[in-house]
Parts: sequence; structure tokens; C-alpha cells
Amino acid sequence: GAVVSQHPSWVICKSGTSVKIECRSLDFQATTMFWYRQFPKQSLMLMATSNEGSKATYEQGVEKDKFLINHASLTLSTLTVTSAHPEDSSFYICSAVRDRILNEQYFGPGTRLTVT
Amino acid sequence: GENVEQHPSTLSVQEGDSAVIKCTYSDSASNYFPWYKQELGKRPQLIIDIRSNVGEKKDQRIAVTLNKTAKHFSLHITETQPEDSAVYFCAAIGSNDYKLSFGAGTTVTVRA
Repeated sequence: GAVVSQHPSWVICKSGTSVKIECRSLDFQATTMFWYRQFPKQSLMLMATSNEGSKATYEQGVEKDKFLINHASLTLSTLTVTSAHPEDSSFYICSAVRDRILNEQYFGPGTRLTVT
Repeated sequence: GENVEQHPSTLSVQEGDSAVIKCTYSDSASNYFPWYKQELGKRPQLIIDIRSNVGEKKDQRIAVTLNKTAKHFSLHITETQPEDSAVYFCAAIGSNDYKLSFGAGTTVTVRA
């Protein structure tokens, strides 16, 4: 099967610090990964598309200087939340695309970020 | 971009009864419609999907129907069981990209 991991699974950080979240496709290569944010009792909201070897594309309203995305290899994308604030506390989920034509994408287990 | 609306937001059913969740989409060129089940604190799990060249698909107790003319699709769960209790999301992929647009979600509670 297709396996996507995320690390860490949960993190608590202080206001003003930065946090890096990793998303890895363990058994397939993914030129495209997506990053979502999910607030309690809400739906998944796409933040950005991570493209291997090129710049990420961000959805409207998402600050690219605050949410830094790096997709340096075909199996790893990272999301860095810079200068975190309590309102950034959320569940961050990535997905990795295995087959674009068949729309096969697989979700990571998510990272719970709490900013104090 | 694609806009997906989902109803109802909550659904409570008696064990053994059926549950139906409906979604509409805006992009007539959308061609892929997955349904996800999400338990608290977990990742969304794909439970069934349908492509635009098919009108209906069934997998055991779960079925999905698609009406391209009306731009709506529905999830049907028959013989519901307590373990079906979760949040269900519909989604659609628009014509120009591979991005999933999600509905707002339906919290399904199956009463024993």
C-alpha cells in the first residue's frame, strides 16, 4: 500500500518560535504534496501545493513568508511555521500524490500543533 | 475554483438504518469525487470514490451516486453500525488541477 508519514505527531511550542513539520512518502515518490490545516470541528483547508524542485504555490490568504514549504526530494516535504502564534494552533495534514492521472493521493496522520 | 457544499452537517441514525449525505459542486468539468471518513484526531480515510464517467458505485454497505447534470453526488450507508460513527467529508477535484476541495463535513452518529 501507499504510506505517508508525518513527524512530529504533536508539538507544543512557545509564541514567536518556529516549528518544522515533515511529510514523507515511504514507499512511493511524490512530485506533488499538499498541506492542509484543519481547525476543530471544521473541514480540511488547503494551504499550499508543494512541488518537488520548485517553489510551492499557496492558496489565497495563506502567507508564504509565514508558512515556509520545502520539497527538496521526491519523498520529503517540510512545512515550517515561523513566528508561531496561538491562532496557528491547529491540526496540519499533508497528502502525497502517487498518481496524478488516477487522482491517487494519500494522507499523512497529521500533526497537532499547539502554540502557547 | 471548485466549491463543494455538503448537507446535512449532523446526522443521527438508529443502528441498522440508512444514512445519506449529499454534496453539490460548482465546476462542471470536475471529474473525481472521493468520500472520506475521519475519526477524531486521525487522518481522513478514503472510503469510496467515483469518477465522472460512472453514475453509481457500490462497495458492500457503502454506495455513491453521481448526477453530473445536476452537479451533485451522494453517499449512502446501509445497515449502519456504531463503528460508522465519524465525520464524513465529500470532495471534488476541479478541472485544472489536482487539488481536492472538501465539503464542510457531516458528523454521523449511529445510536445503538
